[in-house]
Amino acid sequence: AQSVSQHNHHVILSEAASLELGCNYSYGGTVNLFWYVQYPGQHLQLLLKYFSGDPLVKGIKGFEAEFIKSKFSFNLRKPSVQWSDTAEYFCAVKVRGNNRLAFGKGNQVVVIP
Amino acid sequence: EAGVAQSPRYKIIEKRQSVAFWCNPISGHATLYWYQQILGQGPKLLIQFQNNGVVDDSQLPKDRFSAERLKGVDSTLKIQPAKLEDSAVYLCASSPGGRVDEQFFGPGTRLTVL
Repeated sequence: AQSVSQHNHHVILSEAASLELGCNYSYGGTVNLFWYVQYPGQHLQLLLKYFSGDPLVKGIKGFEAEFIKSKFSFNLRKPSVQWSDTAEYFCAVKVRGNNRLAFGKGNQVVVIP
Repeated sequence: EAGVAQSPRYKIIEKRQSVAFWCNPISGHATLYWYQQILGQGPKLLIQFQNNGVVDDSQLPKDRFSAERLKGVDSTLKIQPAKLEDSAVYLCASSPGGRVDEQFFGPGTRLTVL
């Protein structure tokens, strides 16, 4: 079945540590890829997106993600996290020609000061 | 610009009761979405409207859930009767359409069914 997989649902790390969250999808064809973030008490907001072109995309707050087509992956990275990065992060995939946005289960990230 | 508005923010009902949620999308956004987010999971699309027409309702439990967007602007999602497993956050999102079709989410309505 088509799906979006995010592993390590709960991640705890210290400030200044590096963060990498994995996202794998099983959809064929051309895809649009997204990472959304939900800070405590706030609504979902877009962190970054990939539609075409350079597979390394940069988003807000120092986040970046790399699309590796051969691995069906779109991993999110930040070299040095801050306490304010504590949030839940969701990977989402949209197949071109299909309007539906499919989400992974999310990663709950806690950054300890 | 104003974001997606939803009300109420919280709702507690007993099973077999009915409930309705309201969403006002960002002005000018033609596409409106309703998602269900159960605790510990990502949002799941329930229904998508393009203006006032339904584009995708394949994951909507139509025996108890209904949604409408009569004038192509705001929308309501109804559950009747509610079951315990309907406890979730119901998210509304809107998008402007076009090639780069980013979805903007509202704050959600947290429903608890007792």
